[in-house]
Amino acid sequence: AQSVTQLDSQVPVFEEAPVELRCNYSSSVSVYLFWYVQYPNQGLQLLLKYLSGSTLVESINGFEAEFNKSQTSFHLRKPSVHISDTAEYFCAVSDRDFGNEKLTFGTGTRLTIIP
Amino acid sequence: ETGVTQTPRHLVMGMTNKKSLKCEQHLGHNAMYWYKQSAKKPLELMFVYNFKEQTENNSVPSRFSPECPNSSHLFLHLHTLQPEDSALYLCASSQDGRSSYEQYFGPGTRLTVT
Repeated sequence: AQSVTQLDSQVPVFEEAPVELRCNYSSSVSVYLFWYVQYPNQGLQLLLKYLSGSTLVESINGFEAEFNKSQTSFHLRKPSVHISDTAEYFCAVSDRDFGNEKLTFGTGTRLTIIP
Repeated sequence: ETGVTQTPRHLVMGMTNKKSLKCEQHLGHNAMYWYKQSAKKPLELMFVYNFKEQTENNSVPSRFSPECPNSSHLFLHLHTLQPEDSALYLCASSQDGRSSYEQYFGPGTRLTVT
């Protein structure tokens, strides 16, 4: 069985400062990894994903995440945050095995940007 | 605009009521999902339909009954709910049931059981 740990439930950051949201997972098999974002009063939206290839993946709005197999981590980073980044961020993992590919989500990290 | 709509957005119901949540996707997808989102808990997958066939029932109590009449519509029928069922219920769709495909979420229905 898989599990996802997001240790930080809330992260306050000053505008234009860097941020890292931590995600660790456990799984006995190869995985796909995802970050979803939920803005207030909206559903979740995919931010970025790792399926294969380069371990560093980027989103269109400046976020990046690096898959670290040895540390079983997929931390999300942004070098300079903006007010519009205020949201809840969810890390998710799924098995690569066909037929057992449901997503397992973490508890989320609420990112608050301080002007 | 995500292409996945949910109605109603808010619902208050008593424990003896029967109500239904509706989800519609306009993306041409073949898989649809119901999730339950409660405060301070991970998103819980409830049901998965792939090409209109239910492929996942994540040990959900029978007071929740899903229905998928076609690939574009998904319902969640509710009856004799408990206060602990109060939560945000999210619908999602994807190209098919493979997790490598992005899931597109609706805005959710905020359910309060009194």
